[in-house]
Amino acid sequence: AQSVAQPEDQVNVAEGNPLTVKCTYSVSGNPYLFWYVQYPNRGLQFLLKYITGDNLVKGSYGFEAEFNKSQTSFHLKKPSALVSDSALYFCAVRRYNTDKLIFGTGTRLQVFP
Amino acid sequence: GAGVSQSPRYKVAKRGQDVALRCDPISGHVSLFWYQQALGQGPEFLTYFQNEAQLDKSGLPSDRFFAERPEGSVSTLKIQRTQQEDSAVYLCASSERFGRGGIYEQYFGPGTRLTVT
Repeated sequence: AQSVAQPEDQVNVAEGNPLTVKCTYSVSGNPYLFWYVQYPNRGLQFLLKYITGDNLVKGSYGFEAEFNKSQTSFHLKKPSALVSDSALYFCAVRRYNTDKLIFGTGTRLQVFP
Repeated sequence: GAGVSQSPRYKVAKRGQDVALRCDPISGHVSLFWYQQALGQGPEFLTYFQNEAQLDKSGLPSDRFFAERPEGSVSTLKIQRTQQEDSAVYLCASSERFGRGGIYEQYFGPGTRLTVT
């Protein structure tokens, strides 16, 4: 069965510092991996995706994610956090022969000024 | 351009009532998805359509849940005889094409928050 784990309920970081939000996955076959961000009272916004190719994927708002097949991880990173990055972040996986997304439970990122 | 829209944004229903939730996908998007997001959880897949065809309804929690997309555009999620455990945010998403031939991200609407009292 497919699954996604986000081991941290909350990540706190000071503005200007680098941030990492962790995600590990379990899926048979090649995974397609996604990161979404959710602001209060708004839908999920797409940040980036990994399909194939380079393990480092760049996305919106300066975010990037690194795919690591041996560790089955897809951690979200940003070199310098902004207060406006504070939101709920979801990692999701899609198996190659289906269309539905399987989401993790989310990680709340809090960036302090 | 316009994104995915959902209505109503908030719905309060008494237990036992029927509700209908509407989703307007991005124009031209072939695939449409419904997810349920309980408080403090990630979205969980309910069902999805390619045009008017419902290709996967494996996530619908019971036969009280029914979804349709009769003309391949607007979709309605109907919940009959609502129960308190149906309280959640219902998210609709659309994507550009049927997924197997390409990997297209899903664009989400703002959701409908359903509260069953």
